[in-house]
Amino acid sequence: DGGITQSPKYLFRKEGQNVTLSCEQNLNHDAMYWYRQDPGQGLRLIYYSQIVNDFQKGDIAEGYSVSREKKESFPLTVTSAQKNPTAFYLCASSPLWERENIQYFGAGTRLSVL
Amino acid sequence: AQKVTQAQTEISVVEKEDVTLDCVYETRDTTYYLFWYKQPPSGELVFLIRRNSFDEQNEISGRYSWNFQKSTSSFNFTITASQVVDSAVYFCAPTGGYQKVTFGTGTKLQVIP
Repeated sequence: DGGITQSPKYLFRKEGQNVTLSCEQNLNHDAMYWYRQDPGQGLRLIYYSQIVNDFQKGDIAEGYSVSREKKESFPLTVTSAQKNPTAFYLCASSPLWERENIQYFGAGTRLSVL
Repeated sequence: AQKVTQAQTEISVVEKEDVTLDCVYETRDTTYYLFWYKQPPSGELVFLIRRNSFDEQNEISGRYSWNFQKSTSSFNFTITASQVVDSAVYFCAPTGGYQKVTFGTGTKLQVIP
Protein backbone atom coordinates (compact mmCIF):
# COMPACT_ATOMS: atom_id res chain seq x y z
CA ASP A 1 0.00 0.00 0.00
CA GLY A 2 1.24 3.45 -0.88
CA GLY A 3 1.51 6.00 1.85
CA ILE A 4 3.62 7.96 4.26
CA THR A 5 5.36 6.37 7.20
CA GLN A 6 6.48 8.38 10.17
CA SER A 7 8.60 6.96 12.97
CA PRO A 8 8.76 6.74 15.84
CA LYS A 9 5.19 7.29 16.98
CA TYR A 10 6.40 8.65 20.34
CA LEU A 11 9.74 10.29 21.06
CA PHE A 12 11.30 11.76 24.16
CA ARG A 13 14.06 14.34 24.14
CA LYS A 14 16.48 15.14 26.92
CA GLU A 15 17.81 18.61 27.59
CA GLY A 16 20.42 19.64 25.01
CA GLN A 17 19.78 16.65 22.79
CA ASN A 18 19.11 16.61 19.07
CA VAL A 19 16.49 14.15 17.87
CA THR A 20 15.52 13.08 14.35
CA LEU A 21 12.03 12.27 13.14
CA SER A 22 11.75 9.97 10.16
CA CYS A 23 9.40 10.44 7.20
CA GLU A 24 9.30 8.04 4.27
CA GLN A 25 6.86 8.02 1.33
CA ASN A 26 6.34 5.52 -1.45
CA LEU A 27 3.88 7.63 -3.43
CA ASN A 28 6.56 8.93 -5.82
CA HIS A 29 5.67 12.49 -4.80
CA ASP A 30 8.03 15.36 -5.52
CA ALA A 31 6.96 17.69 -2.71
CA MET A 32 7.24 16.97 1.00
CA TYR A 33 6.39 19.00 4.09
CA TRP A 34 6.85 19.09 7.85
CA TYR A 35 4.21 20.62 10.12
CA ARG A 36 4.01 21.23 13.82
CA GLN A 37 0.68 20.99 15.66
CA ASP A 38 0.17 22.34 19.18
CA PRO A 39 -3.01 21.70 21.20
CA GLY A 40 -5.95 23.77 19.98
CA GLN A 41 -3.97 25.17 17.09
CA GLY A 42 -3.78 24.54 13.41
CA LEU A 43 -0.79 23.16 11.58
CA ARG A 44 2.23 25.39 11.16
CA LEU A 45 4.73 24.78 8.38
CA ILE A 46 8.30 24.10 9.50
CA TYR A 47 10.08 23.18 6.25
CA TYR A 48 9.10 22.08 2.78
CA SER A 49 10.86 20.52 -0.16
CA GLN A 50 9.74 20.91 -3.75
CA ILE A 51 12.20 18.41 -5.14
CA VAL A 52 15.18 16.27 -4.18
CA ASN A 53 18.21 18.17 -2.86
CA ASP A 54 16.16 21.30 -2.32
CA PHE A 55 14.27 22.56 0.71
CA GLN A 56 12.92 25.86 2.02
CA LYS A 57 12.12 27.30 5.44
CA GLY A 58 8.51 27.54 6.40
CA ASP A 59 6.93 29.80 8.98
CA ILE A 60 8.62 28.35 12.10
CA ALA A 61 11.98 26.89 10.96
CA GLU A 62 14.12 28.12 13.86
CA GLY A 63 15.52 25.24 15.88
CA TYR A 64 14.83 22.67 13.15
CA SER A 65 16.81 21.24 10.24
CA VAL A 66 15.98 18.91 7.35
CA SER A 67 17.59 17.09 4.44
CA ARG A 68 16.22 15.72 1.19
CA GLU A 69 18.86 13.40 -0.25
CA LYS A 70 16.34 10.91 -1.61
CA LYS A 71 12.94 11.50 -3.15
CA GLU A 72 11.20 9.22 -0.70
CA SER A 73 12.80 10.52 2.51
CA PHE A 74 12.54 13.85 4.35
CA PRO A 75 13.88 13.57 7.93
CA LEU A 76 13.41 16.38 10.43
CA THR A 77 15.95 17.08 13.17
CA VAL A 78 14.79 18.95 16.25
CA THR A 79 17.90 20.61 17.58
CA SER A 80 18.74 21.75 21.10
CA ALA A 81 18.11 25.30 19.87
CA GLN A 82 14.38 24.54 19.79
CA LYS A 83 13.44 25.48 23.34
CA ASN A 84 9.84 24.32 23.21
CA PRO A 85 9.83 21.15 21.12
CA THR A 86 6.87 19.39 22.76
CA ALA A 87 4.30 19.02 19.99
CA PHE A 88 2.75 16.69 17.44
CA TYR A 89 4.75 16.59 14.20
CA LEU A 90 3.16 15.70 10.89
CA CYS A 91 4.86 14.91 7.62
CA ALA A 92 3.02 15.26 4.32
CA SER A 93 3.65 14.91 0.62
CA SER A 94 1.98 15.98 -2.61
CA PRO A 95 2.58 15.03 -6.23
CA LEU A 96 3.97 18.42 -7.15
CA TRP A 97 4.57 21.80 -5.57
CA GLU A 98 1.30 23.16 -6.90
CA ARG A 99 -1.43 24.88 -4.94
CA GLU A 100 -4.19 22.60 -6.19
CA ASN A 101 -2.37 19.50 -5.02
CA ILE A 102 -3.88 17.44 -2.25
CA GLN A 103 -1.51 16.73 0.60
CA TYR A 104 -1.20 13.21 2.02
CA PHE A 105 -0.24 12.90 5.66
CA GLY A 106 1.55 10.44 7.87
CA ALA A 107 0.23 9.36 11.26
CA GLY A 108 2.51 11.76 13.12
CA THR A 109 5.19 11.70 15.81
CA ARG A 110 4.47 12.99 19.28
CA LEU A 111 7.57 14.56 20.81
CA SER A 112 7.90 15.24 24.51
CA VAL A 113 10.70 16.66 26.65
CA LEU A 114 11.99 14.65 29.61
CA ALA B 1 -0.66 35.65 3.12
CA GLN B 2 -3.84 33.81 3.87
CA LYS B 3 -5.75 33.95 7.10
CA VAL B 4 -8.38 31.43 8.14
CA THR B 5 -11.01 31.70 10.85
CA GLN B 6 -12.88 28.69 12.13
CA ALA B 7 -14.94 30.31 14.85
CA GLN B 8 -16.47 27.07 16.11
CA THR B 9 -13.96 25.50 18.45
CA GLU B 10 -16.08 22.50 19.41
CA ILE B 11 -19.46 21.21 18.26
CA SER B 12 -21.50 18.35 19.68
CA VAL B 13 -24.39 16.79 17.80
CA VAL B 14 -26.51 13.72 18.25
CA GLU B 15 -26.07 11.01 15.68
CA LYS B 16 -28.12 11.50 12.50
CA GLU B 17 -28.29 15.26 12.93
CA ASP B 18 -26.90 17.49 10.19
CA VAL B 19 -23.95 19.70 11.11
CA THR B 20 -22.32 22.64 9.34
CA LEU B 21 -18.74 23.70 9.95
CA ASP B 22 -17.94 27.32 9.22
CA CYS B 23 -14.84 28.69 7.56
CA VAL B 24 -14.02 32.29 6.70
CA TYR B 25 -10.77 33.14 4.96
CA GLU B 26 -8.81 36.17 3.90
CA THR B 27 -6.57 36.24 0.87
CA ARG B 28 -5.07 38.77 -1.49
CA ASP B 29 -4.73 36.18 -4.21
CA THR B 30 -7.15 36.39 -7.11
CA THR B 31 -7.00 32.66 -7.70
CA TYR B 32 -6.72 30.08 -4.99
CA TYR B 33 -7.90 26.70 -3.81
CA LEU B 34 -9.83 25.77 -0.70
CA PHE B 35 -9.55 22.46 1.10
CA TRP B 36 -11.19 20.65 3.99
CA TYR B 37 -9.21 18.02 5.88
CA LYS B 38 -10.34 15.68 8.64
CA GLN B 39 -8.13 14.63 11.57
CA PRO B 40 -9.56 11.61 13.43
CA PRO B 41 -8.22 10.64 16.87
CA SER B 42 -5.50 8.58 15.20
CA GLY B 43 -3.87 11.87 14.18
CA GLU B 44 -3.46 11.45 10.44
CA LEU B 45 -5.08 14.21 8.37
CA VAL B 46 -7.27 13.00 5.54
CA PHE B 47 -8.33 15.04 2.52
CA LEU B 48 -12.08 15.58 2.17
CA ILE B 49 -12.88 18.20 -0.45
CA ARG B 50 -11.26 20.78 -2.70
CA ARG B 51 -12.71 23.79 -4.49
CA ASN B 52 -11.02 26.35 -6.74
CA SER B 53 -11.87 30.02 -6.55
CA PHE B 54 -13.26 30.08 -10.08
CA ASP B 55 -16.03 27.65 -9.36
CA GLU B 56 -18.72 28.71 -6.93
CA GLN B 57 -21.01 25.85 -7.74
CA ASN B 58 -21.93 24.05 -4.58
CA GLU B 59 -21.81 20.31 -4.65
CA ILE B 60 -22.83 17.25 -2.76
CA SER B 61 -20.69 14.16 -2.41
CA GLY B 62 -22.39 11.45 -0.44
CA ARG B 63 -23.09 12.82 3.03
CA TYR B 64 -20.77 15.79 2.46
CA SER B 65 -21.72 19.09 0.87
CA TRP B 66 -20.12 22.49 0.76
CA ASN B 67 -21.19 26.06 0.29
CA PHE B 68 -18.57 28.32 -1.26
CA GLN B 69 -19.38 32.03 -1.43
CA LYS B 70 -16.56 34.13 -2.80
CA SER B 71 -18.37 37.39 -2.04
CA THR B 72 -18.29 36.66 1.69
CA SER B 73 -15.05 34.62 1.65
CA SER B 74 -16.75 31.65 3.22
CA PHE B 75 -16.32 27.96 2.56
CA ASN B 76 -18.70 26.06 4.82
CA PHE B 77 -18.84 22.29 5.05
CA THR B 78 -21.93 20.24 5.93
CA ILE B 79 -22.21 16.64 7.03
CA THR B 80 -25.69 15.20 6.59
CA ALA B 81 -26.97 12.48 8.92
CA SER B 82 -23.85 12.52 11.08
CA GLN B 83 -22.33 9.30 12.34
CA VAL B 84 -20.08 8.51 15.28
CA VAL B 85 -17.20 7.91 12.83
CA ASP B 86 -17.45 11.57 11.83
CA SER B 87 -16.08 12.55 15.24
CA ALA B 88 -12.82 14.32 14.47
CA VAL B 89 -11.16 17.70 14.10
CA TYR B 90 -11.91 19.38 10.79
CA PHE B 91 -9.54 21.88 9.21
CA CYS B 92 -10.29 24.43 6.53
CA ALA B 93 -7.21 25.27 4.44
CA PRO B 94 -6.87 27.81 1.63
CA THR B 95 -3.91 27.69 -0.74
CA GLY B 96 -2.87 30.66 -2.79
CA GLY B 97 0.34 32.28 -3.82
CA TYR B 98 3.61 30.50 -2.97
CA GLN B 99 1.61 27.27 -2.97
CA LYS B 100 1.65 27.12 0.82
CA VAL B 101 -1.39 25.83 2.59
CA THR B 102 -2.69 27.80 5.56
CA PHE B 103 -4.57 25.70 8.08
CA GLY B 104 -7.27 27.05 10.35
CA THR B 105 -7.29 26.21 14.06
CA GLY B 106 -9.81 23.46 13.45
CA THR B 107 -13.30 22.57 14.68
CA LYS B 108 -13.63 19.55 16.93
CA LEU B 109 -16.80 17.64 16.13
CA GLN B 110 -18.22 15.14 18.57
CA VAL B 111 -21.07 12.96 17.38
CA ILE B 112 -22.95 11.43 20.29
CA PRO B 113 -24.62 8.06 19.71
